[in-house]
Amino acid sequence: AQSVTQLGSHVSVSEGALVLLRCNYSSSVPPYLFWYVQYPNQGLQLLLKYTSAATLVKGINGFEAEFKKSETSFHLTKPSAHMSDAAEYFCAVSASGGYQKVTFGTGTKLQVIP
Amino acid sequence: NAGVTQTPKFRVLKTGQSMTLLCAQDMNHEYMYWYRQDPGMGLRLIHYSVGEGTTAKGEVPDGYNVSRLKKQNFLLGLESAAPSQTSVYFCASSGLGGATNEKLFFGSGTQLSVL
Repeated sequence: AQSVTQLGSHVSVSEGALVLLRCNYSSSVPPYLFWYVQYPNQGLQLLLKYTSAATLVKGINGFEAEFKKSETSFHLTKPSAHMSDAAEYFCAVSASGGYQKVTFGTGTKLQVIP
Repeated sequence: NAGVTQTPKFRVLKTGQSMTLLCAQDMNHEYMYWYRQDPGMGLRLIHYSVGEGTTAKGEVPDGYNVSRLKKQNFLLGLESAAPSQTSVYFCASSGLGGATNEKLFFGSGTQLSVL
């Protein structure tokens, strides 16, 4: 079975500061890893996806994540936070190979302080 | 470009009442999913469908039923609502590769309160 753990249910950063949202995964087989974002009163949208092609994955809106097998981590970063980045971010994992369900983490709410 | 549309957006039920949530997608997607979102628990999969006429149980299927009579629609039913089913419900869909190989497209959610 696959699972993800998101460290910190709430993260606050100043506008222009580095954003770092942490995600650790557990998987018995090579995983597919995802970051989704949820803006207030909306459904989730895919930010980026890791599927073993490259360990550093670039997503939309300037976000990127690095897959580190030795640390079983897939942390999400952005060099400079914008006010529009305030949202809830979900890490998710799925087993590679064939159709597999996606399991979501508990989410991290990002607050950006002006 | 509608994408995934959920109706209704809000609903209040009394314990024991029944209701159906409707999800419609216009992207010709094979896979459709129902999730519930609860504070501190992320999204949990209730039921999913890999094609018209098929359904399968997810992580938390008890108390819910689903049907996929038409490819574009996925219905979630609560036969006898309980307060524990108070939640925000999201429908999602994805293409032929499923949730792993294709991104999930989500609706905007249904806020359900069971009193």
